[in-house]
Amino acid sequence: AQKITQTQPGMFVQEKEAVTLDCTYDTSDQSYGLFWYKQPSSGEMIFLIYQGSYDEQNATEGRYSLNFQKARKSANLVISASQLGDSAMYFCAMRGGDRDDKIIFGKGTRLHILP
Amino acid sequence: AAGVIQSPRHLIKEKRETATLKCYPIPRHDTVYWYQQGPGQDPQFLISFYEKMQSDKGSIPDRFSAQQFSDYHSELNMSSLELGDSALYFCASSSLSYPDRGYGSGANVLTFGAGSRLTVL
Repeated sequence: AQKITQTQPGMFVQEKEAVTLDCTYDTSDQSYGLFWYKQPSSGEMIFLIYQGSYDEQNATEGRYSLNFQKARKSANLVISASQLGDSAMYFCAMRGGDRDDKIIFGKGTRLHILP
Repeated sequence: AAGVIQSPRHLIKEKRETATLKCYPIPRHDTVYWYQQGPGQDPQFLISFYEKMQSDKGSIPDRFSAQQFSDYHSELNMSSLELGDSALYFCASSSLSYPDRGYGSGANVLTFGAGSRLTVL
């Protein structure tokens, strides 16, 4: 069975600092995908970044980067130069070996950016 | 760019009533997923459809049913509503035939709608 673990229920970070949100996963699939989604207080689920298990380079999307360490089964999200608008719930998610698999979510980390 | 459209955005029902949520996926997306997110919880997978056929089933109660229509829109029908059904219901869509966002055929990024918030009184 697949499992996503996010060990930080909440984090407080000063504006403009970098922040790392932890995510570890467990799967027996050789091929899988890892995702990060942002959920602001308004409730929508916003896709941030994707990392495939066979991708050799860490994914980057603007201020977001994914620190993928396959041997340690970790997929941490790094947000550089945090902004007040980054305050939200962040979910790490995973899809299994088949491309039509649903994705499963971790419990999330609530990030608070302080002015 | 067109997004996933969900309606209604908010719905209030009494116990034992029925509710129907609708989802209109992104054009050319062939797969629809339904998720339920309780207060303070992570989204839980309910059911998915690929090309109008059910492709996977999660923790969906027997009181719930869903289908995908010929125009690819999907509806989630909930009957005999219980207080515990109060949640945010998300629909997400993706394209297995034409992966977007330039991530390659393995990505299958799910794009979520804004959600339908159901309150059962």
